[in-house]
Amino acid sequence: DIQMTQSPSSLSASVGDRVTITCRASQDVRKDLGWYQQKPGKAPKRLIYGVSSLQSGVPSRFSGSGSGTEFTLTISGLQPEDFATYYCLQHNTYPYTFGQGTKLEIK
Amino acid sequence: QITLKESGPTLVKPTQTLTLTCTFSGFSLSTSGVGVGWIRQPPGKALEWLALIYWDDDKRFSPSLKSRLTITKDTSKNQVALVMTNMDPVDTATYYCAHRNLYCGGGGCTSFDPWGQGALVTVSS
Repeated sequence: DIQMTQSPSSLSASVGDRVTITCRASQDVRKDLGWYQQKPGKAPKRLIYGVSSLQSGVPSRFSGSGSGTEFTLTISGLQPEDFATYYCLQHNTYPYTFGQGTKLEIK
Repeated sequence: QITLKESGPTLVKPTQTLTLTCTFSGFSLSTSGVGVGWIRQPPGKALEWLALIYWDDDKRFSPSLKSRLTITKDTSKNQVALVMTNMDPVDTATYYCAHRNLYCGGGGCTSFDPWGQGALVTVSS
């Protein structure tokens, strides 16, 4: 199985901050890497697909980058509605695997 | 607009079999490239992919759960069912179904989107 190591597991930040979340894959997943946002009691919502493509309707303050085995999600200018848990997903090789999640909290 | 909704029992006893149904609209599982997956999330924990079924009846499973899972589709009813046998309290989780399209234009767009609202299943005697 491809292991997705996501860091940090939690992050405290303020409105307006720029934050970066990292996912490291145990082997190359090519462009098959997506990022999801999950709010309490809600289903995950896709933010980024194909490493860096912004899902339609998602604010441009969200961006993704990386290649091969190391990927980042950056939120530039945190808004109150961005405080949530974020997951990466590799869908290159079965079994598909998620990172362990990053809980973004208000400082 | 694509929507999915999970349904099934909220409480099952240990050793029982769980059957969940995903009812969807806005796409057809007879269309080339389309799939429906199941993902679960124990309370307070991370997401775990379980299974996938495609338009051509290709099926994929998490190796750790493969012996306990069955996935089927009913194209005429726009439904996908997930059956999990020998339920245990550790299987307590919210179970989600999600849409997948292999032919969405490339660029890695084939990840799960959108998802259903989820169904919480508790395993307890």
